[in-house]
Amino acid sequence: GENVEQHPSTLSVQEGDSAVIKCTYSDSASNYFPWYKQELGKRPQLIIDIRSNVGEKKDQRIAVTLNKTAKHFSLHITETQPEDSAVYFCAVLTPSGTYKYIFGTGTRLKVLA
Amino acid sequence: EAQVTQNPRYLITVTGKKLTVTCSQNMNHEYMSWYRQDPGLGLRQIYYSMNVEVTDKGDVPEGYKVSRKEKRNFPLILESPSPNQTSLYFCASSLGGFLGYTFGSGTRLTVV
Repeated sequence: GENVEQHPSTLSVQEGDSAVIKCTYSDSASNYFPWYKQELGKRPQLIIDIRSNVGEKKDQRIAVTLNKTAKHFSLHITETQPEDSAVYFCAVLTPSGTYKYIFGTGTRLKVLA
Repeated sequence: EAQVTQNPRYLITVTGKKLTVTCSQNMNHEYMSWYRQDPGLGLRQIYYSMNVEVTDKGDVPEGYKVSRKEKRNFPLILESPSPNQTSLYFCASSLGGFLGYTFGSGTRLTVV
């Protein structure tokens, strides 16, 4: 089955710097890659997603890039702010005709003021 | 307001006492799913449903049951809870296809 690895598990950056979180997956047929942000004590919320026919997608300070050949995708946050501090999860939609999402294990991002 | 509603938010129970966590969505979403969240393990899918009366196992279905008799509701049933089912549970729904999930507010379950 699909396997998703997420790195790093924790990441500390200075306010204003960029942060990058990477996920790798194993099934080359996987076709949808969302990212979720979970603030402390709250539910995960979708922040950006990308389909397999697109290489990059941007939304203000966040972007996601996809390398299908290498089977990895990354979340990029520029000009980080304290409110970006949270746990970020990547996910992969398996292409088996069902609706199985496989989540990464999460990255705790701390933005230091 | 479009939302996924889970109840209860917190539950402490004893080993072996059957319980149900309810989940309801008002967005007419086809897809619904249950996840458990444990430190260091991320979100693991328990069961999911692609439509009424259609359910399937996720990665960690042992000890859980679900039903999808109506489109809006997707309850999670623990017939005989055990301490290793102590966890934070999330229900989620999606319109389907290449669309992300909307998550409920979570249920923190403790089994003693």
